[in-house]
Parts: sequence; C-alpha cells; structure tokens
Amino acid sequence: RKEVEQDPGPFNVPEGATVAFNCTYSNSASQSFFWYRQDCRKEPKLLMSVYSSGNEDGRFTAQLNRASQYISLLIRDSKLSDSATYLCVVNFGNEKLTFGTGTRLTIIP
Amino acid sequence: DAEITQSPRHKITETGRQVTLACHQTWNHNNMFWYRQDLGHGLRLIHYSYGVQDTNKGEVSDGYSVSRSNTEDLPLTLESAASSQTSVYFCASSDTGVGNTGELFFGEGSRLTVL
Repeated sequence: RKEVEQDPGPFNVPEGATVAFNCTYSNSASQSFFWYRQDCRKEPKLLMSVYSSGNEDGRFTAQLNRASQYISLLIRDSKLSDSATYLCVVNFGNEKLTFGTGTRLTIIP
Repeated sequence: DAEITQSPRHKITETGRQVTLACHQTWNHNNMFWYRQDLGHGLRLIHYSYGVQDTNKGEVSDGYSVSRSNTEDLPLTLESAASSQTSVYFCASSDTGVGNTGELFFGEGSRLTVL
C-alpha cells in the first residue's frame, strides 16, 4: 500500500462548480500535510498547508481528519485557471516530503 | 532573484550510457532532492542531501548516484542508463524545516528518454 493515496481522476467539472478531492495516508505518525498544484508540463508548486483546525485561502479550503487519516481540498466557484493536477503531500517527521500520485482536474467552460 | 535550474531540459540517450543531470540553486538552501515523475507513480524520491558532503538514498535509488561538493549543486548520475529510467526528473531544494513549511522549490524538470 502506498504511503499517500489519491484518486487520480480525471475530474471534469463545469466552471463555477464546487469540487473536492480526498487523500489518505498510511502512517498515523504523520506530522504535517500540504497540497501542491502542478500545471501540465510544469513543476509542482506549493498551494497551501493543511492545519488540524482546517484552513481557507480564498476559494480553497483544506481539512485534516487525523482519526480517519485523510486530508481534503475543496475548491469553490471553480475557474478555468484551476485546471491542473493537485498533489497531496505528507511529511512523516523528517526533512522529506512524500507525494501522492495526484488528482487531475479539468474545468469545463 | 534566487532560483533553481536544471540542465539539460531534454535529453535522449542510449541504453548503457552514463548520463548526468545538473541541478543548481541560488537559494543557499541546505536541503536538495531529486525526484522522478512517472504516470501512475507520481513523484518518487531518488536521492537527497541535507548539506555539503551529505547524501542519502530515497525510495528508488538503484542505478542512480549523487554527490554534494558545495551548497549550490546536486548532480544526478545514471551510471548505466536503462529504458526503465525514461522519466521526467525534478530537482528541488528547501530550507531547513521543510517539514513544517512544506516549501519545496522545484526546478523546471529534465525529460530523459533512454532508447
């Protein structure tokens, strides 16, 4: 079983809709969590951290459920520019980040 | 502006040849990493370094080596390229404490094809 698992998608969502992704992790001792965004043929970039209490950044909301060992990303009022692959990232208590395989999102006009 | 650059961006080579991918960062970061990205596998860690003269194996290190002789550079060498090493390779760097900040800075990637 992979340490970090995501539904690969693709998710095809109409513009303006709300979409949510989940990610599960296998190690209950995981320390910190992040979402990265990767555009087609580009490098990954940090989107946001995920805090235990949940956090928002504009149209994006990230939540953590330690009991069930999953994190989620919610995108409201989706824009065409949100089309990308979203990578779930977990830190297992060291200086390394472990990446999920990514969920591909396409926003349809 | 500080940056991280990889070269070459694209390379085609033959099975059995030695290949070196360069990575240079001007962030003055202690941590440097090499990942490979393949469809269905996502980003997998090959090697990493926490400072000069420090190198460590990641989850897919077989057939690869790195050296860290200064802060700025972490070249990745494929000793004898195999077709299974056809992939997109990303170099990344971070400051100490990346586990808390999540701030990993990636290069633009090097696309390697082994024929």
